[in-house]
Amino acid sequence: GAGVSQTPSNKVTEKGKYVELRCDPISGHTALYWYRQSLGQGPEFLIYFQGTGAADDSGLPNDRFFAVRPEGSVSTLKIQRTERGDSAVYLCASSANRGETQYFGPGTRLLVL
Amino acid sequence: SQQGEEDPQALSIQEGENATMNCSYKTSINNLQWYRQNSGRGLVHLILIRSNEREKHSGRLRVTLDTSKKSSSLLITASRAADSASYFCATVSGGYNKLIFGAGTRLAVHP
Repeated sequence: GAGVSQTPSNKVTEKGKYVELRCDPISGHTALYWYRQSLGQGPEFLIYFQGTGAADDSGLPNDRFFAVRPEGSVSTLKIQRTERGDSAVYLCASSANRGETQYFGPGTRLLVL
Repeated sequence: SQQGEEDPQALSIQEGENATMNCSYKTSINNLQWYRQNSGRGLVHLILIRSNEREKHSGRLRVTLDTSKKSSSLLITASRAADSASYFCATVSGGYNKLIFGAGTRLAVHP
């Protein structure tokens, strides 16, 4: 069946601009996670949704980052006033439920000039 | 901050040899998982070992866990060129299953 999909696959923007990154989880998966991976590093946790609510947003680096999942399926990660340090690959993962194996999407590579 | 530390950072071997990667972590865990990543993009789940397990096998993969030393190892036997990738360990603590990754080991298998 279809896996986790993320759009766009690449995004180039200018410092100070607003960006939205989209994640389509595997159908029926209730848990959704966002991670960020900088070059040469492992992914770092940003936020976890169980259904529509953010159950854990402790990994969001500051208030420029926000994520929503209004209908408990698709999620959007929003970054305001982008900075060059936000450049990274943003990964989304979903699992059938909390505590089960997470399946990752291909990621969105964000470059802030 | 990342909890896991993989060692070595990079590993280069010949096809047919075994590859061993190690992971150390800092706090108590529910389980530890290993992932593979090609070309810096999507991660593929390889194997999960729970805190009450000591060893697990999946095909050519063997994972061990020593909770007293807070360490795990991933062994890939009879490696192939297609095994070339970055390998990450990730720990799960608490109730939400968020993964805490190490920095990874880059494996290169030469034909």
